[in-house]
Amino acid sequence: DQQVKQNSPSLSVQEGRISILNCDYTNSMFDYFLWYKKYPAEGPTFLISISSIKDKNEDGRFTVFLNKSAKHLSLHIVPSQPGDSAVYFCAASARFGNEKLTFGTGTRLTIIP
Amino acid sequence: EPEVTQTPSHQVTQMGQEVILRCVPISNHLYFYWYRQILGQKVEFLVSFYNNEISEKSEIFDDQFSVERPDGSNFTLKIRSTKLEDSAMYFCASRDNQETQYFGPGTRLLVL
Repeated sequence: DQQVKQNSPSLSVQEGRISILNCDYTNSMFDYFLWYKKYPAEGPTFLISISSIKDKNEDGRFTVFLNKSAKHLSLHIVPSQPGDSAVYFCAASARFGNEKLTFGTGTRLTIIP
Repeated sequence: EPEVTQTPSHQVTQMGQEVILRCVPISNHLYFYWYRQILGQKVEFLVSFYNNEISEKSEIFDDQFSVERPDGSNFTLKIRSTKLEDSAMYFCASRDNQETQYFGPGTRLLVL
């Protein structure tokens, strides 16, 4: 069951540059999308979300873009900081977040000082 | 800032034993969830709970699993007879009427 896919298992970015993490989904019922950050041995920490009625949502250094026709979303982090090094999970839900989350496999982001 | 808490942080048990994982959701939240992550795999949904009943459960959530909200604050996941393949990180999550689910730190369960 690969309804949510993160095709890059890892990504390395220089400190201060932009980090772009990608996520694709196949289920057209998904209408709410979230990004979580996870450190080892900790729970997922909510970062930012977007509903399907928007194509962009911004919160500080984090911006999420949604392309519904391509069933693709991306998370931009700018500027990247060493504390951003973690595993990032994309998650999707139907009924505008009222249903369970379906997670991607995660992308390990490493920020190089 | 309010947060979801989980106990214990680690649990080691023998195959066939019962375990109870505990969660205290954020206090004004109404919707509760359990997820798990087997090492090296993605986070998977187990069950959702609202208004004192299960609203949805996955194929993983078979008769060996049960959930309960025994009082106004705790939310528990019981595994009646653990199997080796139940070894995983178990995450509790909760949300209010808004869409975002907030996760606890997890319980690492190891079944020997």
